[in-house]
Amino acid sequence: GQNIDQPTEMTATEGAIVQINCTYQTSGFNGLFWYQQHAGEAPTFLSYNVLDGLEEKGRFSSFLSRSKGYSYLLLKELQMKDSASYLCAAPFGSGYNKLIFGAGTRLAVHP
Amino acid sequence: DTAVSQTPKYLVTQMGNDKSIKCEQNLGHDTMYWYKQDSKKFLKIMFSYNNKELIINETVPNRFSPKSPDKAHLNLHINSLELGDSAVYFCASSRRGYEQYFGPGTRLTVT
Repeated sequence: GQNIDQPTEMTATEGAIVQINCTYQTSGFNGLFWYQQHAGEAPTFLSYNVLDGLEEKGRFSSFLSRSKGYSYLLLKELQMKDSASYLCAAPFGSGYNKLIFGAGTRLAVHP
Repeated sequence: DTAVSQTPKYLVTQMGNDKSIKCEQNLGHDTMYWYKQDSKKFLKIMFSYNNKELIINETVPNRFSPKSPDKAHLNLHINSLELGDSAVYFCASSRRGYEQYFGPGTRLTVT
């Protein structure tokens, strides 16, 4: 089966660092995606991890531990525009096309 | 130079009606998808086509029928609309197995 869990809501202060966790249980592992979705808009791709370790991309980094079934998204130097939902997703099936999404973590950044 | 576009953006209709949503991508991708995002913001895959062939067909009422006339287009037709069909429907596209790019969404309201 497939199960992806992430916290429902988080709050943080502008300029701070926040870590959004995601745990998954899958019958086969094909990597992990992170997407950002602002209210009323489409999800946009942030990162994809298939190997263990940290991948850094500007202010955003994503970490994966396959043995622990765990990933996190790290957001540094938070800005007000980072207030959004962050969706963890894992691909399944032939060709890894079937993306199963977590329920999303709604992040609110305050001044 | 929109990457993935959907029409209409908003759709308000009465129960029992039949409606269609259209999607087009100009990214040269070979795989397209339909997702449903309900009021709790949970994003769930409905269908996926690869090179006009249906490859993912989740447990969706058969009132929903996708159609892909070519690799760049994927339409969704919904018969006998019900209140529970009210949601935001997102189209997406990708190269098979890679990150997906989402359209702006169609907000469907059934009254």
